[in-house]
Amino acid sequence: GQSLEQPSEVTAVEGAIVQINCTYQTSGFYGLSWYQQHDGGAPTFLSYNALDGLEETGRFSSFLSRSDSYGYLLLQELQMKDSASYFCAVLPNSGGYQKVTFGTGTKLQVIP
Amino acid sequence: NAGVMQNPRHLVRRRGQEARLRCSPMKGHSHVYWYRQLPEEGLKFMVYLQKENIIDESGMPKERFSAEFPKEGPSILRIQQVVRGDSAAYFCASSSGTAGGASDTQYFGPGTRLTVL
Repeated sequence: GQSLEQPSEVTAVEGAIVQINCTYQTSGFYGLSWYQQHDGGAPTFLSYNALDGLEETGRFSSFLSRSDSYGYLLLQELQMKDSASYFCAVLPNSGGYQKVTFGTGTKLQVIP
Repeated sequence: NAGVMQNPRHLVRRRGQEARLRCSPMKGHSHVYWYRQLPEEGLKFMVYLQKENIIDESGMPKERFSAEFPKEGPSILRIQQVVRGDSAAYFCASSSGTAGGASDTQYFGPGTRLTVL
């Protein structure tokens, strides 16, 4: 089976740093992606890790440990507009068809 | 440089009616995925299609739901005889399907919010 676990809610202060964790148990694993979704909006792609380690993209970084079946999304210098839901997603294989499994999402609330 | 297009954005149906949701993938993308999202929940895979072919429909309910991606025109998700439990946001995503890893990133449309009265 496929399962991904994320905290359901996180609250953080504007300007701070927040880490959203994701643990997964899947029958196939090629990489881990992160998506952001604002209320009423579409999921938008944030980052992708296929190898262990940290990938940095501006204020957002994503980490993967394949041996621990664990990853996290790190958001720095939080802004109010970062308030949204964040989903981790497992890509099961390389290339072609990707039956992606999404986590249940973490709702981030940024407060002043 | 249009992204994934979906229409309608909002759809209201009465129980027993049919709902047709349309999705035009991003230019150059030949892979289309449909997902359903209930309030406060994650995205659930429904079906994966390529042009004129259903590749994986393991997430589709066995009855009342069907999907197609014809040679010409958008992909269609069709729900017959809708019930209140079908109320949800339905997202379409597309990908290029080439190579591996990040190039297989799925890009999502704005979704269709279906409300069944």
